[in-house]
Amino acid sequence: DVKVTQSSRYLVKRTGEKVFLECVQDMDHENMFWYRQDPGLGLRLIYFSYDVKMKEKGDIPEGYSVSREKKERFSLILESASTNQTSMYLCASRPPGRSTEAFFGQGTRLTVV
Amino acid sequence: GDSVTQMEGPVTLSEEAFLTINCTYTATGYPSLFWYVQYPGEGLQLLLKATKADDKGSNKGFEATYRKETTSFHLEKGSVQVSDSAVYFCALSGTGNQFYFGTGTSLTVIP
Repeated sequence: DVKVTQSSRYLVKRTGEKVFLECVQDMDHENMFWYRQDPGLGLRLIYFSYDVKMKEKGDIPEGYSVSREKKERFSLILESASTNQTSMYLCASRPPGRSTEAFFGQGTRLTVV
Repeated sequence: GDSVTQMEGPVTLSEEAFLTINCTYTATGYPSLFWYVQYPGEGLQLLLKATKADDKGSNKGFEATYRKETTSFHLEKGSVQVSDSAVYFCALSGTGNQFYFGTGTSLTVIP
């Protein structure tokens, strides 16, 4: 069975902390994505990666960075967490091709206090 | 650029009612279209997809037809159940590696 695993379901961090959200996929997919999900705004793309060490900014990259040192792992980093980064974060992976589906992790509910 | 516009929610229906959630898209070229579902407390999972014009995707009693002439991909189900209560997202995949998602429609089905 296909699996995308996010390291935490729930996370509470303090303002100013550096936060790491980890995502691992076991499907050997080239493409990986980080989204944040907020009520009324749907899913917004933060960053995506189409290969190891390759990354591209999405629609809302400010305040975030990413790391992809291995094909199966894609990390989202909040350099200095702020309360407006309280959100649900979703990781996804997909193989190449416009008709392929994306597989999602279960999400990380991050609260910054 | 590519985009998806989805019917606003929330939607509340009685069990066995007919469901339609509207989705229209803007894209260059020939995108693939998807419906994803998110059950409470979970990530998104694929419900159905269609990869070319006039294709019909179907799964679990849900259907959607890729209509190029109206740039639409409306989701329908003839008889909803309480277990269908979830958030539904329309999505598009065009050139490049990205998905473009609608804002989601929350569905609540009451017994």
